[in-house]
Amino acid sequence: ILNVEQSPQSLHVQEGDSTNFTCSFPSSNFYALHWYRWETAKSPEALFVMTLNGDEKKKGRISATLNTKEGYSYLYIKGSQPEDSATYLCAFMLDSSYKLIFGSGTRLLVRP
Amino acid sequence: SQTIHQWPATLVQPVGSPLSLECTVEGTSNPNLYWYRQAAGRGLQLLFYSVGIGQISSEVPQNLSASRPQDRQFILSSKKLLLSDSGFYLCAWSVGQGNSPLHFGNGTRLTVT
Repeated sequence: ILNVEQSPQSLHVQEGDSTNFTCSFPSSNFYALHWYRWETAKSPEALFVMTLNGDEKKKGRISATLNTKEGYSYLYIKGSQPEDSATYLCAFMLDSSYKLIFGSGTRLLVRP
Repeated sequence: SQTIHQWPATLVQPVGSPLSLECTVEGTSNPNLYWYRQAAGRGLQLLFYSVGIGQISSEVPQNLSASRPQDRQFILSSKKLLLSDSGFYLCAWSVGQGNSPLHFGNGTRLTVT
């Protein structure tokens, strides 16, 4: 059974704070790691897809890193804003199986 | 541009009744199609995925089934719903392999009473 773990489960921060979350996944037979943002009353939207060890991706104030050898990825948000409030999901794909397994997410609440 | 349609948006069904949720994708060919479920207080659980017509992979033993009668149509069914089938069901598509993101539909909120 593939296990994708995310921590923390939830996070409350003040506007302007920087924050980061962790996604842990099996380090063998890695194929891809995805990050999604899921806002209330909307569908999950893709942030990043990473496939190479050492990958770093950035979109505005959000960035992500990938370590496939030790099986973890970090998502960073710099200067959090209330509109960043959402659940952040990571998902792992084993080999080229097409099977994308999600973690349970980190719920972020940014207080104004 | 590509779009995904999922319906109905909400559904209340009694225990033991059948279920049919439909998902269609427009604007792309031979997509990979997925059904996920989010039960209350939990993450997204992969139920089924399909990489081509008639090709269905099941991830979790349960009383649900999936079919792909056409290239861009994915249907989730049950002959007899259980209380534990309640949840939020999401359909998604992608192209290629793991280096392409999933694009999700708006979801169906299913309540089994």
